[in-house]
Amino acid sequence: EVHLAESGGGLVQPGGSLRLSCAASGFTFLTHSMTWVRQAPGKGLEWVSSISGGSGHPYYADSVKGRFTVSRDNSKSTLYLQMNSLRVEDTARYYCVKATGIGSGLHDTWGQGTLVAVSS
Amino acid sequence: DIQMTQSPSSLSASVGDRVNMTCRASQGISTHLAWYQQKPGKVPELLIYDASTLQSGVPSRFSGSGSGADFTLTISSLQPEDVATYYCQKYDSVPFTFGPGTKVDTK
Repeated sequence: EVHLAESGGGLVQPGGSLRLSCAASGFTFLTHSMTWVRQAPGKGLEWVSSISGGSGHPYYADSVKGRFTVSRDNSKSTLYLQMNSLRVEDTARYYCVKATGIGSGLHDTWGQGTLVAVSS
Repeated sequence: DIQMTQSPSSLSASVGDRVNMTCRASQGISTHLAWYQQKPGKVPELLIYDASTLQSGVPSRFSGSGSGADFTLTISSLQPEDVATYYCQKYDSVPFTFGPGTKVDTK
């Protein structure tokens, strides 16, 4: 069974940093693109970043480009999101999502999410 | 970038009613369109992909149609457990933009 477990969320001041992790199991991590999607309280879903399977080419939403860095460690089946220069508007639940293939944009499995709160 | 819109933003229907909601892309995306269901307090779940293919385990009362820029999600007979917000998402290329969602309630 596919399982995605996010961690690393918490309360941080504006301008601060956090590193999210997503431990994956139940599938061949190397051969699947992975994505971070966020949802602000009471709001809709927002695509944040994706990384292709294999060598891991990254992609970012304009709202986080230059501040967030996505990476993956295929040996540990773990996805990361390094978030720098955090803003109040980055407050959200961050979901780790598995795509259906190595370069796919179709996402079929979501983790439970980790909460990030940016506030002074 | 391609923008995604959904209508209506919310609807209320009776149990057993047929429910339709639409998703529109600002440019054609072929059939690279997915629908997700997010029940209150829960994680989103994939319902339909390739615009009309039902994900394994999804009840057959759900169906999707459309191609190019206009898509529809239909619930043929609304059930109490279908109360949720439904999101469409394009996945032809990045950015993998979501629509703003349609919130479905029962009367």
